[in-house]
Amino acid sequence: SQTIHQWPATLVQPVGSPLSLECTVEGTSNPNLYWYRQAAGRGLQLLFYSVGIGQISSEVPQNLSASRPQDRQFILSSKKLLLSDSGFYLCAWAGGNTIYFGEGSWLTVV
Amino acid sequence: EDQVTQSPEALRLQEGESSSLNCSYTVSGLRGLFWYRQDPGKGPEFLFTLYSAGEEKEKERLKATLTKKESFLHITAPKPEDSATYLCAVRLHGSGNTGKLIFGQGTTLQVKP
Repeated sequence: SQTIHQWPATLVQPVGSPLSLECTVEGTSNPNLYWYRQAAGRGLQLLFYSVGIGQISSEVPQNLSASRPQDRQFILSSKKLLLSDSGFYLCAWAGGNTIYFGEGSWLTVV
Repeated sequence: EDQVTQSPEALRLQEGESSSLNCSYTVSGLRGLFWYRQDPGKGPEFLFTLYSAGEEKEKERLKATLTKKESFLHITAPKPEDSATYLCAVRLHGSGNTGKLIFGQGTTLQVKP
């Protein structure tokens, strides 16, 4: 069966510091992968998606970037974090017509 | 503008007290409506996908229905373990990508024993 892993689960970072969140999927090949953000009091918002290695599409302009160095690995990054980057970041993959989410990474920028 | 609105924002029920959660949508073309359950601090857990008006799906105490303008998640005789936030999301025609969903803000359900 397919599983999706995210890490770290929780992190507190100062403003201006870099960020790297990792997501890996097991049990499938060439998945479509997604990064969503859930800010306090707001719905999930799609940030990036990838249909293959090195292929990244951005949905909203922001301080973040994404990369897909391997088939089942998706990375969310920032060079300099802003306070507004705080939130719950969720990696997801598309299996058939269904979207499955990981356990999420809580980011607090202080 | 494509939009998904859930109501109420919060719902408190007594154990066994049935109720419904609403998800209304204004979209250019619907290619699927999704319901998820999210426990605090966790990622959303998939419940149902509905594709056309009149469609219904059930799972234990939950039943999801779909019309041309909204979807309902009916909870029959809820138990405390049904307490969670329920998220509704839509996939649009022409989105070109399976995982591009527009989410509502969710309904937080609390079921008291």
